[in-house]
Amino acid sequence: QQQVKQSPQSLIVQKGGISIINCAYENTAFDYFPWYQQFPGKGPALLIAIRPDVSEKKEGRFTISFNKSAKQFSLHIMDSQPGDSATYFCAARRDTGNQFYFGTGTSLTVIP
Amino acid sequence: DGGITQSPKYLFRKEGQNVTLSCEQNLNHDAMYWYRQDPGQGLRLIYYSQIVNDFQKGDIAEGYSVSREKKESFPLTVTSAQKNPTAFYLCASSFRDTTYNEQFFGPGTRLTVL
Repeated sequence: QQQVKQSPQSLIVQKGGISIINCAYENTAFDYFPWYQQFPGKGPALLIAIRPDVSEKKEGRFTISFNKSAKQFSLHIMDSQPGDSATYFCAARRDTGNQFYFGTGTSLTVIP
Repeated sequence: DGGITQSPKYLFRKEGQNVTLSCEQNLNHDAMYWYRQDPGQGLRLIYYSQIVNDFQKGDIAEGYSVSREKKESFPLTVTSAQKNPTAFYLCASSFRDTTYNEQFFGPGTRLTVL
């Protein structure tokens, strides 16, 4: 059973466009929601993260929008660049046990 | 240079053999994790450890074993009981204190069973 559902599986965006990746969860015990970026053959790296007490967090071109009532959160990449081409994972951490649950990933391709 | 190291980067195993994947961190993190990554399935938790000499099974622990004798080290053994071990294996670590949330990942080990 997938605790965190992520969509789309793949995404192609023109350079300068907006990339949007969505995630949904059911477990209200989750208290921390990070997004990771992974390049081929490498380990994931933390991109941006949010706690459920805020609805939006922005860092440079990357923004997380969080809807607690809908149990959904999304990553927006503004002015997408070819260097953003990577796989993106959303995740959620349970408030006890420090265990993380990951989405299935989105392969983003930014076309020049 | 702080971080997580995994070795080897590539590993080939014959069927029926046990192999051990190394994971070391110098971040003074209490918690360590092992994930398996397969195409289209994201990261699935194999085992995790919050403190030395203690660890818990994740969602796909069958066919794997771990030990946590030192805070810095969390080796994973893929046993011959694991039916489909070919995958990319990722080690991660974090602080236990939930004020500091980030989970750091190593570069991964790609295991291929011949």
